[in-house]
Amino acid sequence: ETGVTQTPRHLVMGMTNKKSLKCEQHLGHNAMYWYKQSAKKPLELMFVYNFKEQTENNSVPSRFSPECPNSSHLFLHLHTLQPEDSALYLCASSQAIGLNTEAFFGQGTRLTVV
Amino acid sequence: DAKTTQPNSMESNEEEPVHLPCNHSTISGTDYIHWYRQLPSQGPEYVIHGLTSNVNNRMASLAIAEDRKSSTLILHRATLRDAAVYYCILRDLQQTGANNLFFGTGTRLTVIP
Repeated sequence: ETGVTQTPRHLVMGMTNKKSLKCEQHLGHNAMYWYKQSAKKPLELMFVYNFKEQTENNSVPSRFSPECPNSSHLFLHLHTLQPEDSALYLCASSQAIGLNTEAFFGQGTRLTVV
Repeated sequence: DAKTTQPNSMESNEEEPVHLPCNHSTISGTDYIHWYRQLPSQGPEYVIHGLTSNVNNRMASLAIAEDRKSSTLILHRATLRDAAVYYCILRDLQQTGANNLFFGTGTRLTVIP
């Protein structure tokens, strides 16, 4: 238990569906992150939120839409995905203030696009 | 962030020490060295980090070369639960704000019973 909870753990969706991934942390952190981990590839940083403001969008296609309503919650809205978007999506959080603090990761959502 | 180079895989016998190397020849003076590991079906977890001096914590030790161009993560007694992918990551001290981490391919550690 890392203090970062992701739901659902598994998701299967069609290419025309709309779904959302949820991430919640109760660690008092003010930075939150979305990562994508495809098979046989390194983790890719997708989005970063710092005090609810998006500070990084790592050239992610617009079919992925993040939302950070407060410092404890982070969503990833998905629509018209492609099969190659099937991957493990990981959420993380950390303190934004104070350099080099550790990041805490959730267990991820295993997404399959059919 | 400067790049790191790690062996793709390593094996260790259970109960023996493991030394996981990392090369970072282009490290800058303000880069911290971080180690994370990812157990099967889990998200990554923090292991240890350091700047210049060797560091110890309950999970591992980090030995940093005097020129800082390489480092070694030391697990003193490998257990089956230590089987994971270990990532060595450099993080610029001067980069304030969020803790953006850029992962490479890491070293897959297999522990043999």
